[in-house]
Amino acid sequence: DAGVIQSPRHEVTEMGQEVTLRCKPISGHDYLFWYRQTMMRGLELLIYFNNNVPIDDSGMPEDRFSAKMPNASFSTLKIQPSEPRDSAVYFCASSPRQGVDSGANVLTFGAGSRLTVL
Amino acid sequence: AQSVSQHNHHVILSEAASLELGCNYSYGGTVNLFWYVQYPGQHLQLLLKYFSGDPLVKGIKGFEAEFIKSKFSFNLRKPSVQWSDTAEYFCAVNAPGGSYIPTFGRGTSLIVHP
Repeated sequence: DAGVIQSPRHEVTEMGQEVTLRCKPISGHDYLFWYRQTMMRGLELLIYFNNNVPIDDSGMPEDRFSAKMPNASFSTLKIQPSEPRDSAVYFCASSPRQGVDSGANVLTFGAGSRLTVL
Repeated sequence: AQSVSQHNHHVILSEAASLELGCNYSYGGTVNLFWYVQYPGQHLQLLLKYFSGDPLVKGIKGFEAEFIKSKFSFNLRKPSVQWSDTAEYFCAVNAPGGSYIPTFGRGTSLIVHP
């Protein structure tokens, strides 16, 4: 498997523009996570999906952020309109399952999308 | 809700020095514990994990971590660091009785000078 694939790797945009980040999880993984990493706040969970259904979006900063998972192999994180404070590295991660066994709960991360909003 | 504290935000060492990075969590029940590493410009990857059994866990590249339940700690150690260990290290915990979704610490930046 090629791992978790994210695109774009780098995005530079101007304030007010729409930004769409994409993620392809590992095939067979039931869970998909979106994290944001900044120097100030570290690694924050934005939202996660189980079997394509959003389970917890309490980490999404505000209504400008939205995430979808139309099928098991694709997810998007959209920011509209973007602001300079959204500049960060956005990571997508997937996990086969979450549970009590030792094979569960381990996240595989993508390479991240570095977003710069001018 | 569970939380994770990493006390050292920045650590600078010389090669061959010993390393210990602190991690404490706040959850009274059974937990699963993880250390992830992020090398410069790369994504996070699993270093080691604890689920049950021997509280001393060995991971890749000579790293180990010890789970001390009474102290709610899961410190990461390495007897002799190398320049290639320069990276960001994240401790994470999830509670099997809860949602299993891991909570990450703020991370510790380690710089190893050759």
